[in-house]
Amino acid sequence: DVKVTQSSRYLVKRTGEKVFLECVQDMDHENMFWYRQDPGLGLRLIYFSYDVKMKEKGDIPEGYSVSREKKERFSLILESASTNQTSMYLCASSSNRRDNEQFFGPGTRLTVL
Amino acid sequence: GNSVTQMEGPVTLSEEAFLTINCTYTATGYPSLFWYVQYPGEGLQLLLKATKADDKGSNKGFEATYRKETTSFHLEKGSVQVSDSAVYFCALGMRGYQKVTFGTGTKLQVIP
Repeated sequence: DVKVTQSSRYLVKRTGEKVFLECVQDMDHENMFWYRQDPGLGLRLIYFSYDVKMKEKGDIPEGYSVSREKKERFSLILESASTNQTSMYLCASSSNRRDNEQFFGPGTRLTVL
Repeated sequence: GNSVTQMEGPVTLSEEAFLTINCTYTATGYPSLFWYVQYPGEGLQLLLKATKADDKGSNKGFEATYRKETTSFHLEKGSVQVSDSAVYFCALGMRGYQKVTFGTGTKLQVIP
């Protein structure tokens, strides 16, 4: 079974702090994704990566950056957290051989005070 | 661009009722279509999928048929259970392109 893990289930940070969210997948997937989920807005893509060190902006990249130094790990970075970044963050991965099917981690609920 | 529209929730049903959650899409080309489910406190997981017109995806008593003529992929279940309470997302993906477009989700609550 594919497993996608995220470093924290719940995180509380203060405005202005630098925040790292980590995601690891164990099935050698080429593609990894970061979404945020907000009530009434569904899932919005922040960034995705289709290979090591490769990244592409999604629909809402402002205020975020990403890093993919190893195939299995994809990090989301909030350079200076703000209260409007309080949200549920979901990581996903997919294989080029599996018809766009994405596998999701359990999510990190981030609260910025 | 591609888009997915699904009915707004929440949908509240009694146990053993029939469920339909509507989903329509707009896409250039021929997408694959998906339904994902998110149980409380969890990430999304794939419920079913269909990769070409007239295909029917099915899993755990849920079904959806890929209708190209109406650009729809409605989710149905004949008899819902309390354990089906969750948020359901319709989604589409284009072959050879790994990004997926999600609908906004429909919350289903099943009461005993």
